Amino acid sequence: GAGVSQSPSNKVTEKGKDVELRCDPISGHTALYWYRQSLGQGLEFLIYFQGNSAPDKSGLPSDRFSAERTGGSVSTLTIQRTQQEDSAVYLCASSSQGSSNQPQHFGDGTRLSIL
Amino acid sequence: GESVGLHLPTLSVQEGDNSIINCAYSNSASDYFIWYKQESGKGPQFIIDIRSNMDKRQGQRVTVLLNKTVKHLSLQIAATQPGDSAVYFCAAPKSSTLGRLYFGRGTQLTVWP
Repeated sequence: GAGVSQSPSNKVTEKGKDVELRCDPISGHTALYWYRQSLGQGLEFLIYFQGNSAPDKSGLPSDRFSAERTGGSVSTLTIQRTQQEDSAVYLCASSSQGSSNQPQHFGDGTRLSIL
Repeated sequence: GESVGLHLPTLSVQEGDNSIINCAYSNSASDYFIWYKQESGKGPQFIIDIRSNMDKRQGQRVTVLLNKTVKHLSLQIAATQPGDSAVYFCAAPKSSTLGRLYFGRGTQLTVWP
């Protein structure tokens, strides 16, 4: 497809389990971003990949969160030992350049529920 | 730190009326702004953007106005339709070289028939 694709669209898991969320950016986009959106809130930045540069991890809330981007395309966000406060919609975005003057295009997110 | 915020969390308008959604920002060095529309269960959808060397930019039924003096921008939707009902966010990047976006908390626009 032409847009950002995320999977799964919904994930329900028990507290303490690990989860992996996947993002396929728009083809040719070099920049990839992960955000988190809690109910009724704005988007909270998590991590940013640009080409082969070291990722900006400054938004990750704890060391239970990690992300990687293989081959400059697909990215996986991993949450270890999930907690109830991790419940949120996790959104991925990509843009054609890492500079700020290009719009980011979002996928529809993964809705994560921790029981 | 940087912040962007919308003035009103909710806005109700009648179909056919014009809508105006306002946003303020704190970083005077911000040079690029984006408006997104988010429908229930969907990700934010890009509507329109504006760079700081412009005061106004028009799209299809939408206009964004930027007032750098008071650090304010607005999104105007002409002839609002029921399909425009959604949450609208303004966003700005952290800096001119880093692409991470700061988002306001959003305005819920409801269009009544």
